[in-house]
Amino acid sequence: DIVMTQSPLSLPVTPGEPASISCRSSQSLLHANGQTWLTWYLQKPGQSPQLLIYLTFNRASGVPDRFSGSGSGTDFTLKISRVEAEDVGIYYCMQALHTPYTFGQGTKLEIK
Amino acid sequence: EVQLVESGGVLVQPGESLRLSCEGSGFAFSSYWMHWVRQAPGKGPVWVSRTNEDGSVTNYADSVKGRFTISRDNAKNTLYLQMNSLRVEDTALYYCAKDLSGRYDHWGPGTLVTVSS
Repeated sequence: DIVMTQSPLSLPVTPGEPASISCRSSQSLLHANGQTWLTWYLQKPGQSPQLLIYLTFNRASGVPDRFSGSGSGTDFTLKISRVEAEDVGIYYCMQALHTPYTFGQGTKLEIK
Repeated sequence: EVQLVESGGVLVQPGESLRLSCEGSGFAFSSYWMHWVRQAPGKGPVWVSRTNEDGSVTNYADSVKGRFTISRDNAKNTLYLQMNSLRVEDTALYYCAKDLSGRYDHWGPGTLVTVSS
């Protein structure tokens, strides 16, 4: 199974400041079609996870442009340019290259 | 508007069986792979199973293989998860999720399965 490792696990951020979350996979997520199958989700308190970023850097519909994804191979980053109160929750990376799809442990973002 | 609504979650004893359902609406249900993902209390999501558009292909996590069966009825826009020989460690919120080329673009609110004696 592909192991996904996130850091940090806890991320206190002052509103208006940037935030960055790292995700590493135990093997390359590069698909034969040239795309890299890394996805980011945000689970707000009491809600189901929601799609943020797909195929490493594509923002899902309705996701503010303060969210951006980058990376390649086994190293990926989610960045929030200016954190807002509504960004609170747990962020998960997930690989969909091979079953079983696997998630990172989650990064809990909280407001200072 | 795309909607996924799970049902069937209850409190059961170890060894018992349960069938979960997930009804989809607002999209062409028969055109998408569909998945079950579970989340134990206070833990992260864990992939459980998936099936292709017509149900002819299925995959399972090792932890449920041989005990759980995924299926679908496209005429009813419904995904199922038959869960047999339930264990305490199967306790979780079970989500169904719509697969759009390797990403879950829609999730249901989940249905809670509790396995306890």
